[in-house]
Amino acid sequence: DVKVTQSSRYLVKRTGEKVFLECVQDMDHENMFWYRQDPGLGLRLIYFSYDVKMKEKGDIPEGYSVSREKKERFSLILESASTNQTSMYLCASSSADNEQFFGPGTRLTVL
Amino acid sequence: QKEVEQNSGPLSVPEGAIASLNCTYSDRVSQSFFWYRQYSGKSPELIMSIYSNGDKEDGRFTAQLNKASQYVSLLIRDSQPSDSATYLCAGTDFGNEKLTFGTGTRLTIIP
Repeated sequence: DVKVTQSSRYLVKRTGEKVFLECVQDMDHENMFWYRQDPGLGLRLIYFSYDVKMKEKGDIPEGYSVSREKKERFSLILESASTNQTSMYLCASSSADNEQFFGPGTRLTVL
Repeated sequence: QKEVEQNSGPLSVPEGAIASLNCTYSDRVSQSFFWYRQYSGKSPELIMSIYSNGDKEDGRFTAQLNKASQYVSLLIRDSQPSDSATYLCAGTDFGNEKLTFGTGTRLTIIP
């Protein structure tokens, strides 16, 4: 069965902290994605990666960075968390057919 | 025009009836299409993918794609209260790993 896992379901951080969100997939997928989802704004792509060590900016990359050192793992980094980064963060992975499978999500609150 | 458009709803359907969800798209996302179901507080779950014109059936779900008219729809037969969720339509184009998501239609099945 397809499996995407995320390191935390709920996270509370303080403004200015560095935050790491990790995502692991066990399907040997080439592509991995980070989204945030906010009420009324839908899913917005932050970054994606189509291969190890490769990354591309999505629609809203400002304030975020990513790392993909191994095929199965894709990390999202908030360099200095701000309150407007309070959101649901969703990781997904896909292969060449573009069917994306999502992890359970991390609800991040920045105080 | 947005690349993928959905009526936000809410759409209310009596239990046992057919629920019809529609999505229109622009030329930039005209190759492959996906329907996701998202329960409140949960992550999106892939329920159907469709790549060519016509109908594709999977259990109680039928996806319909009409490339000439640029719309894709999802029919849910014998609707159940457990079908109550937000349904996201997504599309992509040749050689593009990214999906473009609509903002979703909230469906409520009334017992």
